[in-house]
Amino acid sequence: AQSVAQPEDQVNVAEGNPLTVKCTYSVSGNPYLFWYVQYPNRGLQFLLKYITGDNLVKGSYGFEAEFNKSQTSFHLKKPSALVSDSALYFCAVRDGGSYIPTFGRGTSLIVHP
Amino acid sequence: NAGVTQTPKFRILKIGQSMTLQCTQDMNHNYMYWYRQDPGMGLKLIYYSVGAGITDKGEVPNGYNVSRSTTEDFPLRLELAAPSQTSVYFCASSTTGIGTDTQYFGPGTRLTVL
Repeated sequence: AQSVAQPEDQVNVAEGNPLTVKCTYSVSGNPYLFWYVQYPNRGLQFLLKYITGDNLVKGSYGFEAEFNKSQTSFHLKKPSALVSDSALYFCAVRDGGSYIPTFGRGTSLIVHP
Repeated sequence: NAGVTQTPKFRILKIGQSMTLQCTQDMNHNYMYWYRQDPGMGLKLIYYSVGAGITDKGEVPNGYNVSRSTTEDFPLRLELAAPSQTSVYFCASSTTGIGTDTQYFGPGTRLTVL
């Protein structure tokens, strides 16, 4: 079985400050972890993924995510937030043997000018 | 490439009506998926397909049907629409179904059932 949790419905951050969007997961095998972003009235867009190897994964638009196996977490980060980063962010997990990813409920990121 | 396209963008149905949501991808992807997105609930998988002629149920298939006669197209059929089917529907595709594969999403169809 696989599951993912995004404990925050909303994250507020000032422009220029670092941001973190949290994600924890549970799988029975090897985890494959993904972050997607959804801008208003748009479909989801892929940001980055962890497959294996380096625990720090770099993705699009200056985002990165840190895989922590002991804490079963995959938090999304960015050193300096932009107002244009305001969007809905989804974490997803796939167990190595699964066709189908499980998505979190989403976290709304609001970056204030 | 257009990627994944969905039509219509918006639709209002009356209770009991039926409709088909269209989804087409031009990336020659084998795997295709239908999700619904409700506020605060994330994405729920309705149906998926691993190739032409093969479909399977996801987490919330009741009230929906799908077919996959070609690699490109994966229409979702709503029979006897109900208010509970008011949602935003997303189609997605991926090259394979293996764990490392990234999904590509369409822009969505916003459906209201009154």
